[in-house]
Amino acid sequence: KAGVTQTPRYLIKTRGQQVTLSCSPISGHRSVSWYQQTPGQGLQFLFEYFSETQRNKGNFPGRFSGRQFSNSRSEMNVSTLELGDSALYLCASTATGTEQYFGPGTRLTVT
Amino acid sequence: KNEVEQSPQNLTAQEGEFITINCSYSVGISALHWLQQHPGGGIVSLFMLSSGKKKHGRLIATINIQEKHSSLHITASHPRDSAVYICAAARGTGNQFYFGTGTSLTVIP
Repeated sequence: KAGVTQTPRYLIKTRGQQVTLSCSPISGHRSVSWYQQTPGQGLQFLFEYFSETQRNKGNFPGRFSGRQFSNSRSEMNVSTLELGDSALYLCASTATGTEQYFGPGTRLTVT
Repeated sequence: KNEVEQSPQNLTAQEGEFITINCSYSVGISALHWLQQHPGGGIVSLFMLSSGKKKHGRLIATINIQEKHSSLHITASHPRDSAVYICAAARGTGNQFYFGTGTSLTVIP
C-alpha cells in the first residue's frame, strides 16, 4: 500500500496570505488528523476528520480550517498567515482502532 | 501544566546500554502511543497501548493505567536508535492527541 502523502513538501508564504495543504491518506483509512510542529511548542493537535466530518478539534484559532472529501483526502487551510504559523504540518491517517500513519509533512515558512 | 509529561528531555547512551523513557499523563485516555521521529521530520508510530505490555524486536512499551504512566524501553541500544521519542495520549472518540515534549536520544558507538 502507498503511504500517506502530503503536498507540497515545502512552501514559502508572506504574512497575510493564505495557504492550502493537502493530505492523501492510506487507501481504506477514513480518519485523517492534522498536527503542527514547532521548536517552541512541539507537536500540537489541530483537528481530525472522519468520513468528511470534523470529529475533534484542537485549540487553534479559526484561521485554521480543514475539510475532508469523499475519497478521504483532506486539506487544511490557514488564512491571514502570521510569522508564528511557520511550522512543519503533519497529517496522519488511521483505520478504526489502529495506530496512526504519518505523512512526511509540509514545511511552511512565513516571511 | 501539560497533560502529558515526558522524561528525560535528553538522553545520551553508549551503544549496548538499556534505555528507559518515561511518560506520565493526567487525563483519561483511550490509548497511549509511542512515536519515533528521525532528523528530517518523518514520524513513525512504534506502539499503541491501552493496557499491559507490547514488544517489537528490541523495543518494549508498558503502561500502568492506575498510575497513569507508561515507559518505553530499548534493549541493546544502537546508534540507529538515535531519534526523538514522543509519547502521545489519545482521548475520547477518534484521534485527539496530547503530546509529550519528546525525548532526544543519542546513542554513541
